[in-house]
Amino acid sequence: DAGVIQSPRHEVTEMGQEVTLRCKPISGHDYLFWYRQTMMRGLELLIYFNNNVPIDDSGMPEDRFSAKMPNASFSTLKIQPSEPRDSAVYFCASSLRGGSGNTIYFGEGSWLTVV
Amino acid sequence: SQKIEQNSEALNIQEGKTATLTCNYTNYSPAYLQWYRQDPGRGPVFLLLIRENEKEKRKERLKVTFDTTLKQSLFHITASQPADSATYLCALSTGGGNKLTFGTGTQLKVEL
Repeated sequence: DAGVIQSPRHEVTEMGQEVTLRCKPISGHDYLFWYRQTMMRGLELLIYFNNNVPIDDSGMPEDRFSAKMPNASFSTLKIQPSEPRDSAVYFCASSLRGGSGNTIYFGEGSWLTVV
Repeated sequence: SQKIEQNSEALNIQEGKTATLTCNYTNYSPAYLQWYRQDPGRGPVFLLLIRENEKEKRKERLKVTFDTTLKQSLFHITASQPADSATYLCALSTGGGNKLTFGTGTQLKVEL
């Protein structure tokens, strides 16, 4: 299996621009998670989906962030407009069933720098 | 408030020794606790899961303990090797069980 695939791996963008991060979960996994990692705050859960339906988006920082999962094999995290404080590594992850009692498989991350 | 605390300072140990990492939590009652390894520039990788009714779990050179009274988990790597150098993250089940909340991680350096 190819694992969780994220793109782009690295992105540098100017403040105010729209950023779209993409994720392909492991085939057959019912849960998809978006995390953000920074030195200051560590790894934070932004949103998770079960069977393509958003279940909990309480970690999404503000309305500038949105996430979609149009089908079982694709999800996007969009930031519009982007700000320098959004600079972080964004991880997509998936699990076969509910996350807590099951292994979560992470992608390699999308490194976002907003200047 | 809810907190998951791991040593923010790096742990440096000599090859062959046992590394012990600590994860303390407050105001959580997790049904599960997991440990992950993260190498620089990579995503976290699952290592071990322990349930609330288990006191100890082992996998090769790894051992995890889970004390729900102390609200603490210890992660041990025996006969440590330089290849074990990485950041280790603990994670608790929260929010009804489908969410994992992570600690900030402890960086381990194993020196020759």
